[in-house]
Amino acid sequence: RKEVEQDPGPFNVPEGATVAFNCTYSNSASQSFFWYRQDCRKEPKLLMSVYSSGNEDGRFTAQLNRASQYISLLIRDSKLSDSATYLCVVNPLMYSGGGADGLTFGKGTHLIIQP
Amino acid sequence: ETGVTQSPTHLIKTRGQQVTLRCSSQSGHNTVSWYQQALGQGPQFIFQYYREEENGRGNFPPRFSGLQFPNYSSELNVNALELDDSALYLCASSQRGAYEQYFGPGTRLTVT
Repeated sequence: RKEVEQDPGPFNVPEGATVAFNCTYSNSASQSFFWYRQDCRKEPKLLMSVYSSGNEDGRFTAQLNRASQYISLLIRDSKLSDSATYLCVVNPLMYSGGGADGLTFGKGTHLIIQP
Repeated sequence: ETGVTQSPTHLIKTRGQQVTLRCSSQSGHNTVSWYQQALGQGPQFIFQYYREEENGRGNFPPRFSGLQFPNYSSELNVNALELDDSALYLCASSQRGAYEQYFGPGTRLTVT
């Protein structure tokens, strides 16, 4: 089983719609969780952290289910500028530095927002 | 603007050659991690440097090696290049114990 699994998509979504995708992770000892966004041929950028209690940042909502080892990202009122690849990331440590084991990335989910 | 810079931007090498990639970490950051991202894949952790020593390593062979300098900048060296080494190489800097890891724009390496 891969450490972090994501549906690669692509997800083709009309502008203004709500889209949700998720990932599963295999290491139950993972301590912190993130969603990164990566635009074509650019570096990954931190979108948001993911907490068990759920957290929201504007149109974006992230959720963690530790029991099921499942992480989700919901995007409401999608914009054309949301088109990107969304990377699910798990970390064995509580802080984002990655520590000795580094960050573990999924392959990413490709999102295309259509006008 | 993250402040992490990498050079060169692009590089073409021949199989069997050696390559050195460079990374300047963001001001105040003392930890540098290197990742390899093949086309269509997520970044894969190569190794991390903290206080000029390798602090952790992913599943990469010894021909991948690195250095960190007193100013916290870093180099990634790859010997005996193989075709499968063609990828985007990303450097990320962070302050140990801090929350966020910042990625540089990457070096795109093509091995022919």
